[in-house]
Amino acid sequence: NAGVTQTPKFQVLKTGQSMTLQCAQDMNHEYMSWYRQDPGMGLRLIHYSVGAGITDQGEVPNGYNVSRSTTEDFPLRLLSAAPSQTSVYFCASSYAGSNGYEQYFGPGTRLTVT
Amino acid sequence: KQEVTQIPAALSVPEGENLVLNCSFTDSAIYNLQWFRQDPGKGLTSLLLIQSSQREQTSGRLNASLDKSSGRSTLYIAASQPGDSATYLCAVDGGATNKLIFGTGTLLAVQP
Repeated sequence: NAGVTQTPKFQVLKTGQSMTLQCAQDMNHEYMSWYRQDPGMGLRLIHYSVGAGITDQGEVPNGYNVSRSTTEDFPLRLLSAAPSQTSVYFCASSYAGSNGYEQYFGPGTRLTVT
Repeated sequence: KQEVTQIPAALSVPEGENLVLNCSFTDSAIYNLQWFRQDPGKGLTSLLLIQSSQREQTSGRLNASLDKSSGRSTLYIAASQPGDSATYLCAVDGGATNKLIFGTGTLLAVQP
């Protein structure tokens, strides 16, 4: 299994541009999430999904859209990039195992907005 | 609102030392707590997950404990090695929602 994959690894955008961060998992996990990691603030949840066709907002959803048309894919769209969205973005997936929900993270996308 | 704190923010120890990393949370009504390791420029790797009904979990040289009533968890690393150098993060799930609240991490350096 490739696990959780994210593309691109690095991206530079200008203010106002839009783009989509890709996330895919091949473990047939029901749950997928997007987090952003900023210095001194830890990881914060942006959006999450409990299955295909179902998404909901996390702690910091403004400026981002998601959709989940398949179990495998969970893309994150930046509608109009702002410098405040400069961050490292992590996608995660999980399933309801015998020991609770254990999350598996992708390698991250480092985004800079100028 | 749940808040998760990790102290210290950074720790440097000589190789071979046993060490304890601390994690505290403000709301004891948690579903589970998870410890992660993050290497520089990389994603997070799950180390241990403790459900709210459990007191501890062990994996190799790692032992994580959970005391819900006091809002605390510790990660014990035995016989530390330079390869253990990384940032260690704890995260809590407040209600089987699969939505994690993270601490800001402890940066560990193990000196050879």
